[in-house]
Amino acid sequence: AQSVTQLDSQVPVFEEAPVELRCNYSSSVSVYLFWYVQYPNQGLQLLLKYLSGSTLVKGINGFEAEFNKSQTSFHLRKPSVHISDTAEYFCAVTQETSGSRLTFGEGTQLTVNP
Amino acid sequence: NAGVMQNPRHLVRRRGQEARLRCSPMKGHSHVYWYRQLPEEGLKFMVYLQKENIIDESGMPKERFSAEFPKEGPSILRIQQVVRGDSAAYFCASSPLGGADTQYFGPGTRLTVL
Repeated sequence: AQSVTQLDSQVPVFEEAPVELRCNYSSSVSVYLFWYVQYPNQGLQLLLKYLSGSTLVKGINGFEAEFNKSQTSFHLRKPSVHISDTAEYFCAVTQETSGSRLTFGEGTQLTVNP
Repeated sequence: NAGVMQNPRHLVRRRGQEARLRCSPMKGHSHVYWYRQLPEEGLKFMVYLQKENIIDESGMPKERFSAEFPKEGPSILRIQQVVRGDSAAYFCASSPLGGADTQYFGPGTRLTVL
């Protein structure tokens, strides 16, 4: 079985500050990792994903994430946030052996204040 | 290329009625997934379908819920005899391939059971 834990349910930051949204996973087999963003009353949009190769993954809107196998983490970072980054962020995992089923974390609400 | 389409966007039903949620995948995508998002929670996998086949229904409640993806037409998630606990946002996603292929999400159907 696989699971995802997002350590912070809410993260308030000021505009232009750096931010890190934390994600840890548990799995007994190799995994693929994803970060999605959900704006109010909308569906989810893929920010970035890790399948293999370089552990530092760059995504859209200036976000990046680093896969750390020893710590089973996949934290999302952005060096300078904008008001428009205010949204819910979901970390998700799927196993090589589980087909396509995504397991999501509970989400982190990022609020960027002026 | 239009994105994943879901309709209706909002659906209100009284207890005991049936709810039918429709999902049209992106053009060229033959894999469809349904997820449910309860208030203040992350998304939970329900079912994974390919054309005319249910591949994984491990997340579907045992009773009242069914899903199909016919050869022609949209995928349908059907909930019979709805109860208040069924109130949630239901998201559909599609991908061209299975496995770790990116899932593209629709805007969701928000079901309210009175």
